[in-house]
Amino acid sequence: GQQVQQSPASLVLQEGENAELQCNFSTSLNSMQWFYQRPGGSLVSLFYNPSGTKHSGRLTSTTVIKERRSSLHISSSQTTDSGTYLCALERPGGYKVVFGSGTRLLVSP
Amino acid sequence: NAGVIQTPRHKVTGKGQEATLWCEPISGHSAVFWYRQTIVQGLEFLTYFRNQAPIDDSGMPKERFSAQMPNQSHSTLKIQSTQPQDSAVYLCASSLETLYFGSGTRLTVL
Repeated sequence: GQQVQQSPASLVLQEGENAELQCNFSTSLNSMQWFYQRPGGSLVSLFYNPSGTKHSGRLTSTTVIKERRSSLHISSSQTTDSGTYLCALERPGGYKVVFGSGTRLLVSP
Repeated sequence: NAGVIQTPRHKVTGKGQEATLWCEPISGHSAVFWYRQTIVQGLEFLTYFRNQAPIDDSGMPKERFSAQMPNQSHSTLKIQSTQPQDSAVYLCASSLETLYFGSGTRLTVL
């Protein structure tokens, strides 16, 4: 079965609204990363967050290992936040990094 | 630090031709990954090297795809007898902890 599940699959916001993106995983993890991808662009790392909470500007990532979930919170969304957000899990022992299917975010003015 | 460098940015091949994609990881990174991305399938893992040794190639189509990492500074992904379904963006990434991606090679097989 799928090891990493992201929700929602897509999200439409009005500029200024907040967003909460979820990533649930069914296996143990060594690390959790969040990436952003603009249409036609490459993947940009937002957070490397194996556990706990990290902040970067309007973005907050929280990983709770016991609950097997990680979230990405975007506050006061802007149109430039539009794109796809992906979470990625690295399993212990140096296994391959497995990606979720992504959340496609559209922020309208 | 120029980041992960992938060449070429775009490649167009005819059906049945060979394609070689190049990746230069970030200096000092011990792990190198290859993924491919399509709209339909999303991001698919292909193969993974650690300290130049192949660790996991479970995502590689066995017959026509091969990957090498002859030294620390580059890795290649070779696709023989390319087929239209191989058309995708091929992404290389390297890491110590955080995964850093290159800009990708867009392969189009006519």
